[in-house]
Amino acid sequence: GQQVMQIPQYQHVQEGEDFTTYCNSSTTLSNIQWYKQRPGGHPVFLIQLVKSGEVKKQKRLTFQFGEAKKNSSLHITATQTTDVGTYFCAMRNSNSGYALNFGKGTSLLVTP
Amino acid sequence: NAGVTQTPKFQVLKTGQSMTLQCAQDMNHEYMSWYRQDPGMGLRLIHYSVGAGITDQGEVPNGYNVSRSTTEDFPLRLLSAAPSQTSVYFCASSYRTGNTDTQYFGPGTRLTVL
Repeated sequence: GQQVMQIPQYQHVQEGEDFTTYCNSSTTLSNIQWYKQRPGGHPVFLIQLVKSGEVKKQKRLTFQFGEAKKNSSLHITATQTTDVGTYFCAMRNSNSGYALNFGKGTSLLVTP
Repeated sequence: NAGVTQTPKFQVLKTGQSMTLQCAQDMNHEYMSWYRQDPGMGLRLIHYSVGAGITDQGEVPNGYNVSRSTTEDFPLRLLSAAPSQTSVYFCASSYRTGNTDTQYFGPGTRLTVL
């Protein structure tokens, strides 16, 4: 089935350092979504990217969609302890209505 | 709006017991889904529904049943619980506007099967 591979699985940074997580697909994606899940919480929608080469920013977070629409990245500048959590990319599963195929996530730990 | 609600928050079952995880949404969303989340596995789709009266299987449907008699409710039934079903279960609802279909997740049910 359709899969998105996400790396790294874990990342531990000092507060103030940057962080990047990457998603890769073997097939061309119609769009890609990013979610954040705080420890003990539920996934919360961050953003959706649709266009080839699209770049969107939310404060310290920068989201990119590759030119070939097969990869995406989330970059956090100057991490803060509030950034702790797991970041998931997700692609729409064309065989399952509007349900999503999720990457396995990148767990970010930020130490002060 | 309450959004997506799930009950119970926690549940412990013995092997072989059955139970229903409840999910409700008050946003009039057509699409609803159930996922399970296991450590290192991300979220895997169990069942989904594209509208009242319509359900279909996802990636890991074995051992689970669903029904969608109303737009608001999408219960997940465990027929005969097994330890392999120990997991966190999330219900989600979504609607489509243009090319955007954002999923809204409930708070989850943490299930342990002994």
